[in-house]
Amino acid sequence: GAVVSQHPSRVICKSGTSVKIECRSLDFQATTMFWYRQFPKQSLMLMATSNEGSKATYEQGVEKDKFLINHASLTLSTLTVTSAHPEDSSFYICSARERSFGGNTIYFGEGSWLTVV
Amino acid sequence: AQKVTQAQTEISVVEKEDVTLDCVYETRDTTYYLFWYKQPPSGELVFLIRRNSFDEQNEISGRYSWNFQKSTSSFNFTITASQVVDSAVYFCALSEEVYNFNKFYFGSGTKLNVKP
Repeated sequence: GAVVSQHPSRVICKSGTSVKIECRSLDFQATTMFWYRQFPKQSLMLMATSNEGSKATYEQGVEKDKFLINHASLTLSTLTVTSAHPEDSSFYICSARERSFGGNTIYFGEGSWLTVV
Repeated sequence: AQKVTQAQTEISVVEKEDVTLDCVYETRDTTYYLFWYKQPPSGELVFLIRRNSFDEQNEISGRYSWNFQKSTSSFNFTITASQVVDSAVYFCALSEEVYNFNKFYFGSGTKLNVKP
């Protein structure tokens, strides 16, 4: 079964509203999570690195005030798309890093389809 | 510059044909990881393989095989006797050790169409 869960898997919201997407690590603590965005028929692009207890690190060109990331616990990171517009419609996917003695393992969530109408 | 290049945008084959998906990467790090993921229309990423930069041995898993060549910075993926269920978008990805460890650089993806 999935070790990283995203919710909701699909969401439709009205233009101008905000929408929150959750990324949860199951069965392990993730001090670091990553948020990616994938436009239709394009590749996945990293948006930001979410660190538990501190501010997220955003990639160049990603508006931090528009894409709010909160990593308040070791198992949950949230991405809030504020004042959403149709151009924000995309597939958002998170990943979480599990640290172990053998090294780090990355698990991806199932992704969330956002449609802004 | 693109860190991961998948030159084949889309490939169509007939079932039972073999198909190779190309991946070329670029990095200055000596320690890095390469991945292949399958993405069906539903969107989730299905992990296929992870290979670290110190292990150039080729790997075979059922109908899947991977050829890692550091000399040409390539990590190609071959599906033998393709099946319709193999139809999906396949992504090659690179993760670098220093500073950006676990930050993935994805290629643009190759859409594989396997026709019956």
